[in-house]
Amino acid sequence: GAVVSQHPSRVICKSGTSVKIECRSLDFQATTMFWYRQFPKQSLMLMATSNEGSKATYEQGVEKDKFLINHASLTLSTLTVTSAHPEDSSFYICSVGGSSYNEQFFGPGTRLTVL
Amino acid sequence: GENVEQHPSTLSVQEGDSAVIKCTYSDSASNYFPWYKQELGKGPQLIIDIRSNVGEKKDQRIAVTLNKTAKHFSLHITETQPEDSAVYFCAASLGYGQNFVFGPGTRLSVLP
Repeated sequence: GAVVSQHPSRVICKSGTSVKIECRSLDFQATTMFWYRQFPKQSLMLMATSNEGSKATYEQGVEKDKFLINHASLTLSTLTVTSAHPEDSSFYICSVGGSSYNEQFFGPGTRLTVL
Repeated sequence: GENVEQHPSTLSVQEGDSAVIKCTYSDSASNYFPWYKQELGKGPQLIIDIRSNVGEKKDQRIAVTLNKTAKHFSLHITETQPEDSAVYFCAASLGYGQNFVFGPGTRLSVLP
């Protein structure tokens, strides 16, 4: 399957600052990437679908002005959490589609802690 | 929209025994059903998947069955080992490029 990396793996920031998380598809050109959020002991919740060269599609209840997504190339998508607050602390995970049918391969995740 | 339920939420088995996790989905148009294993602090790892035109799929100790009529699918792990301990998520999807709807997860503990 596709190899996906995320950077950073962990980040701690102060309330009110912005944090950028990178998602890279290392061996596959991904026209679509997905961003999920996972709170402790909960399931994965889709935040947005990131399409290369176009605007991301956000799920209901996800503020697009707070969670900025840029999918500038076939191998890189970024998620920027703007003006982060403690309630944004979570595990953020990206995924890319497989080369056939519709598998998704996930990155290792980024643990965001907002103080 | 799609809704995926998963049972049980926690499951403890003795090493060597079998484990079964069941999921139900609501949208009959869903046609792809993957299973993921997530270890603590890591991203989910695809372990097996099944498409709607197949009733059963097996990969060594892991198997998945699908009942489209009843809209449920199950993960079967045989000869469990301590390293199988993790959280397992099922998901349903409408097709290529479509997002997944995940179940709430099952925490599997394999006791040595």
